[in-house]
Parts: sequence; structure tokens; C-alpha cells
Amino acid sequence: AQSVTQLDSQVPVFEEAPVELRCNYSSSVSVYLFWYVQYPNQGLQLLLKYLSGSTLVKGINGFEAEFNKSQTSFHLRKPSVHISDTAEYFCAVRVNTGFQKLVFGTGTRLLVSP
Amino acid sequence: DADVTQTPRNRITKTGKRIMLECSQTKGHDRMYWYRQDPGLGLRLIYYSFDVKDINKGEISDGYSVSRQAQAKFSLSLESAIPNQTALYFCATSSAGRNTEAFFGQGTRLTVV
Repeated sequence: AQSVTQLDSQVPVFEEAPVELRCNYSSSVSVYLFWYVQYPNQGLQLLLKYLSGSTLVKGINGFEAEFNKSQTSFHLRKPSVHISDTAEYFCAVRVNTGFQKLVFGTGTRLLVSP
Repeated sequence: DADVTQTPRNRITKTGKRIMLECSQTKGHDRMYWYRQDPGLGLRLIYYSFDVKDINKGEISDGYSVSRQAQAKFSLSLESAIPNQTALYFCATSSAGRNTEAFFGQGTRLTVV
């Protein structure tokens, strides 16, 4: 069965600094990968997704992620964060066989301070 | 208006009470899902439905039931609420296809006392 690991439960960072949120997955079959963001008191919103093709994926709000098949990783990055990026970020994986259930990681809370 | 609407947004209920959470969508999607979110556990799938006549259990369905009243409506019921069902509940929808994203409602915060 597939699983998703987000090792960092919380990442504090100063405004305008770069940030990387880590995501590793395990699956015996090929997958589709997603990053969602949850702002306070809101639902989840898609940041970006990897389906196939270029391993570097660009999303909304200046975020990007790189798919690394050999390391089974899909880390999220932003070169310069804003206060408004403070939120919880979820990595998710969907296998491309069977039901194609979306499996979520446990989330990483990004805290941006001035 | 939101594409995926959940009601109520917040609810406090007593142990043993029956409660229903409702979800409606205007995206025209066939697939609908109920997830629960707990701190440190991420989102876990409770039930999912591919169409009105298709209901399936997710990984944590015990203590819950669902009803797909129409393509656009999918409700989640707790027949006899217990405190460890206190959580944030999300409804989501998606179209068919492996590469499609899920769209989420704003969540229902349920507290069982």
C-alpha cells in the first residue's frame, strides 16, 4: 500500500527566506503527486501536481516542487516566503491503478515570521 | 458561492446523539468523498462514492454512515456520536480520471462532549 511521509510537523522561517517542505512517498506502482495548502479555517486548495513529464512542477503563489523517482520524494520549495504563506501544507499521492485513492501525509505547518 | 459547500460549519453535540453533516457541490462531479482531519494524522478517508448508486467504505468507516441523495449531495451521519469523533470533517469531489485533483469544502468542525 502507498504511504506519504512528511517528516517536519512544523517549519519556522523568516519572511523573504527560502523554504523547503519535505515529502517522501512509498508505492510499488507509479503515482501522481499533489501538494495542497490549508489556510486557517479554510478547506484544502491545490498548490501543484505532478502527473508526468518534467520533474519540476510550478504551482500557484510562487511554489514549485521536484519529483525525484529514485529518492521517492516530492519536496516543495519557495525561494522567498511571505507572511501570507503561513498555513498547513499537505503532500498527497494517488496511485494510477484500482480506485486511485488519494493518500495524505500528516501535514507540515509553515510559520512565517517578520 | 463555493463549489463545495458543507453545513454546518461548526457543531457541538452530546455523546450518544445522532448528527448529520451535509455536503453539496456545483462542480458536476460524479465522485464525492468524506475525510476527517485530526492534528498530526493528516486526512483520512471515511467513505467515498463514485455515483449515486455506488458507496464504498474508506479506511475509518466504523461509527459512520453516508447517503448519496443525488449527484450533488453526499451526507455523513454519526449514528451515536462519541468524543473521539471530535474532528474536522471535509467533503471533497473529483471528476473521473486518474490525474484529476480533488476539490474540498471548507470543513465542518465537530465537537462531541
